[in-house]
Amino acid sequence: QKEVEQNSGPLSVPEGAIASLNCTYSDRGSQSFFWYRQYSGKSPELIMFIYSNGDKEDGRFTAQLNKASQYVSLLIRDSQPSDSATYLCAVGRPTSGTYKYIFGTGTRLKVLA
Amino acid sequence: SQTIHQWPATLVQPVGSPLSLECTVEGTSNPNLYWYRQAAGRGLQLLFYSVGIGQISSEVPQNLSASRPQDRQFILSSKKLLLSDSGFYLCAWRLNTGTLYEQYFGPGTRLTVT
Repeated sequence: QKEVEQNSGPLSVPEGAIASLNCTYSDRGSQSFFWYRQYSGKSPELIMFIYSNGDKEDGRFTAQLNKASQYVSLLIRDSQPSDSATYLCAVGRPTSGTYKYIFGTGTRLKVLA
Repeated sequence: SQTIHQWPATLVQPVGSPLSLECTVEGTSNPNLYWYRQAAGRGLQLLFYSVGIGQISSEVPQNLSASRPQDRQFILSSKKLLLSDSGFYLCAWRLNTGTLYEQYFGPGTRLTVT
């Protein structure tokens, strides 16, 4: 079992719809949770982070965390073609005096115009 | 604000040649620094991390090494490249605090070993 699991996709949604991306993790010691957007050929860009159970909203993005179910999700409202990218889920936990991050393999999102 | 630089942006090297990739961070002191590799179609693999000058922790024993000669400089090296070293190398940083956990990536170096 991978530590962080994501559906590889592609997830196709029409323009203007809500895109829902999901991620599960195995280590209950994970403390922080991140969503990165990665365009083809580019480096990952941090778009959302969440530390506590519940929802966190930032513009068109909402991150949801359920630690009991070990589940993190990202909702993108009013999806735009420019949102087409691979979305990486990452979890962080303390280790050896620093902080380490485990990444999922990403979900490819296609927003159809 | 903080900025992270990596160079070179792209690199094509023959098998058996040496490698040196550099990463520098501006606008912060004593950051935690990380090297990742992303192979084609695969996830991010943590290679090394550093909490301070001269302090390097290795995640995966392999053909690579890392050094941190200055507070905001992180170098990834190899004495002899293998074909399997090809990939997208990413440097990342986070503030060295107990309460902020966000990690930010540099632009990356795309390495092709031929």
